[in-house]
Amino acid sequence: SQKIEQNSEALNIQEGKTATLTCNYTNYSPAYLQWYRQDPGRGPVFLLLIRENEKEKRKERLKVTFDTTLKQSLFHITASQPADSATYLCACLEGEAGTALIFGKGTTLSVSS
Amino acid sequence: GAVVSQHPSWVICKSGTSVKIECRSLDFQATTMFWYRQFPKQSLMLMATSNEGSKATYEQGVEKDKFLINHASLTLSTLTVTSAHPEDSSFYICSASGGPGDGYTFGSGTRLTVV
Repeated sequence: SQKIEQNSEALNIQEGKTATLTCNYTNYSPAYLQWYRQDPGRGPVFLLLIRENEKEKRKERLKVTFDTTLKQSLFHITASQPADSATYLCACLEGEAGTALIFGKGTTLSVSS
Repeated sequence: GAVVSQHPSWVICKSGTSVKIECRSLDFQATTMFWYRQFPKQSLMLMATSNEGSKATYEQGVEKDKFLINHASLTLSTLTVTSAHPEDSSFYICSASGGPGDGYTFGSGTRLTVV
């Protein structure tokens, strides 16, 4: 079955730097990958979706890439700010015909000023 | 944007009692809703998929008689934790597909503590 792996539990960077988070999937190439932000005690909030046939997608200071050869997606936050501190989750559909999302464990980003 | 309202945000109950959690899509019709459970420092674990007007589909290892899911309308799904025990203490989150935009919309979560 498909698994999502986010191997870095925590990432600490200084304000203004670029944060790069990694997401790997283990099985078939999903039709798309999604990235969410989760703050403590809150539900996830959708950030970006990238489809299998897209190499890169951007939204303001966020950039996501999708490499089907490496089975990997990278999530970048440029010019990071302390307000970007949160847990970032990578997700894809549970199965090739599924509708539910499965998630990685997430990477907790801390941006210090 | 799409909004999913989840209530209550937190609840404390005695062991052996039942607790109902509501999840409402406020500005769109959600034919499918999903229920997740999240333990501290862990990821969201899918419990069940709920389709309006039909029985929920539970993930392996999730007791359907303990976690009762009802999706009676296109805007409301409920999760009832029956005969709750301390090990059921967790953060429960609902989600809905069908809203505008690409992603799924999540509720703000319910922190359940069973004492």
